[in-house]
Amino acid sequence: AQSVAQPEDQVNVAEGNPLTVKCTYSVSGNPYLFWYVQYPNRGLQFLLKYITGDNLVKGSYGFEAEFNKSQTSFHLKKPSALVSDSALYFCAVRAKTSYDKVIFGPGTSLSVIP
Amino acid sequence: SAVISQKPSRDICQRGTSLTIQCQVDSQVTMMFWYRQQPGQSLTLIATANQGSEATYESGFVIDKFPISRPNLTFSTLTVSNMSPEDSSIYLCSLGGGTEAFFGQGTRLTVV
Repeated sequence: AQSVAQPEDQVNVAEGNPLTVKCTYSVSGNPYLFWYVQYPNRGLQFLLKYITGDNLVKGSYGFEAEFNKSQTSFHLKKPSALVSDSALYFCAVRAKTSYDKVIFGPGTSLSVIP
Repeated sequence: SAVISQKPSRDICQRGTSLTIQCQVDSQVTMMFWYRQQPGQSLTLIATANQGSEATYESGFVIDKFPISRPNLTFSTLTVSNMSPEDSSIYLCSLGGGTEAFFGQGTRLTVV
């Protein structure tokens, strides 16, 4: 069965500092991996995805994520955090089977402190 | 990318009543998914809706409570039946296949 873990409920970082939001996954075979962001009272927004190829994936708003197959991780990173990055971040996984369901992690609340 | 229209965007309902949420897609898709996001929680898959067959429900969700229709390849509905305050959540439809996973804007349901 697929599962996603986000070990940190809350991440606090000072504005301008690099940020990392952690994600590990469990899935049979090779996965498709996704990061989504949710701002208060707003819908789910897609940030980036890993499908295949280069382990470093670049996405929206300056975010990137690194796929590590041996550690089954897909951590989200940004070199310099902005206060506007404060939101709820979800990691998600789908097994590489067409039309399979997407399973979400529990979410990590990111607070960027001015 | 696909465009997903979900209606209503929000509603306040009396306990014991039912609400039907509609999801319209601008292209034909085989699989559609319905998720629930309870307050302060992550997204939990309710069921997978495949056109022409019965929906497949995840553990903890039953058809009597969350009946789903999938009459064609661009449309699906989720009904939340006999609502209680515990059903207050955001309900999202989703579609995707292969490398994509698209989500509607959600229906924010409050049961009073």
